Parts: sequence; structure tokens; C-alpha cells
Amino acid sequence: DTEVIQTPKHLVMGMTNKKSLKCEQHMGHRAMYWYKQKAKKPPELMFVYSYEKLSINESVPSRFSPECPNSSLLNLHLHALQPEDSALYLCASSQDMGVESWIYEQYFGPGTRLTVT
Amino acid sequence: AQSVAQPEDQVNVAEGNPLTVKCTYSVSGNPYLFWYVQYPNRGLQFLLKYITGDNLVKGSYGFEAEFNKSQTSFHLKKPSALVSDSALYFCAVRDEMNRDDKIIFGKGTRLHILP
Repeated sequence: DTEVIQTPKHLVMGMTNKKSLKCEQHMGHRAMYWYKQKAKKPPELMFVYSYEKLSINESVPSRFSPECPNSSLLNLHLHALQPEDSALYLCASSQDMGVESWIYEQYFGPGTRLTVT
Repeated sequence: AQSVAQPEDQVNVAEGNPLTVKCTYSVSGNPYLFWYVQYPNRGLQFLLKYITGDNLVKGSYGFEAEFNKSQTSFHLKKPSALVSDSALYFCAVRDEMNRDDKIIFGKGTRLHILP
């Protein structure tokens, strides 16, 4: 099973709402990633978890809060977002061998299309 | 510092013709190079990668890429294009030497295969 599952597919939220994006993989991968992608642009890395520990935070605003409850699950908690946060949020996973993790290809989910009103 | 460039925003190819999508990179050490494809409203899908070894890398769906160290390029190729190859293609690179670097993606090239 090489699937990364993301829920929900679409999310519309107001600027005062709190919501969460969910990601799940059962490939035994130990690295999981959150990306933000604007239309017709490349993905921008937000967070990386390696062995359930946050290893990279790309200076993302605190209104985005990641969580990795276990090796198969990754959440992104959203609070007080701005309209400019509207984007496709992609989750990905890969094998992780410590510092050599970047040699492994990433498996991406279909994304959550987020609209902030 | 590492960087990756995809010089073409869009490439148009007739069905059945060979296709090339260009990618050049800049790294301090040896590069790890990847190609991904993105279909509309979908996540990225891995096509192929170069880490070490043979310069010609074969990947999914009949795609291949050639690592050229002297020209710092990793162009994606396919001998005969299909209409279903129409999508957005991303080249990505990571510098093997700099352990603090993350993978970075090129801006993307939209491939249109004309029937």
C-alpha cells in the first residue's frame, strides 16, 4: 500500500475558526512532511517529522501547529488563519535513515484544498 | 547554497513525438535529483531519481532522465509522448554535502501533449 490519505479533501473556514487537517500512511515510513502549495507554484516545505519528532520548522507562523501522534499519523492544527493562507496543503512521507533521509523519494497525498474566508 | 531551475514555463509536444523537460541545478557537493509529476487537483507523484551510479535513470510511465554533471542538468525525457502525459512537472534537488539543506523544488513546467 503506497497511499497517503488526507482528510478532508476540501475545507472552508473563517478567520476565527479552529480546524485540523489529517494525514495517514501505512507504509512504515518514519519521515512525514507538510507542504503548502499555491496555484501553479511548487510546494513549499512547512514542517518535517522524523521518528515522530519535529525536526524541521520552516519558520511557519504559530497559527499552524503540527502534531505527530504516532508513526502513521500527522495532523496540522489551524487557528486564526488569514485569507492568504488559502492553498492546497500536501502531506508526504518517506523512509528515514537519519541524516540521509533526503535520498528517499516522497509519497504525497492528494492534498486538502483550504479556503479561508 | 543549492538551487534548481526549470527554464520553461510550458512545453508543447505533439502526441507520439519525443518530449524533453529541462532542469538545471547548482549545488556545492553531489546532487540528489528527483522528478515529480502533478496532475490537476492531485498531490505530487514520484517519477524517478538520481542519487549515484548510472547517469541514465529510468522511471515510471516510460520516462527517463540523464544526469549530466558537466552541464549540471537533469532533463526529463520520453521517446513518445501520450496525451495523458499532460501535467505539471517538478524537478527537485538536494545538496549531498550540506546536511542542513532541505530538498527544493523548481517552479514547475507545464507539459501539454497535443492530440
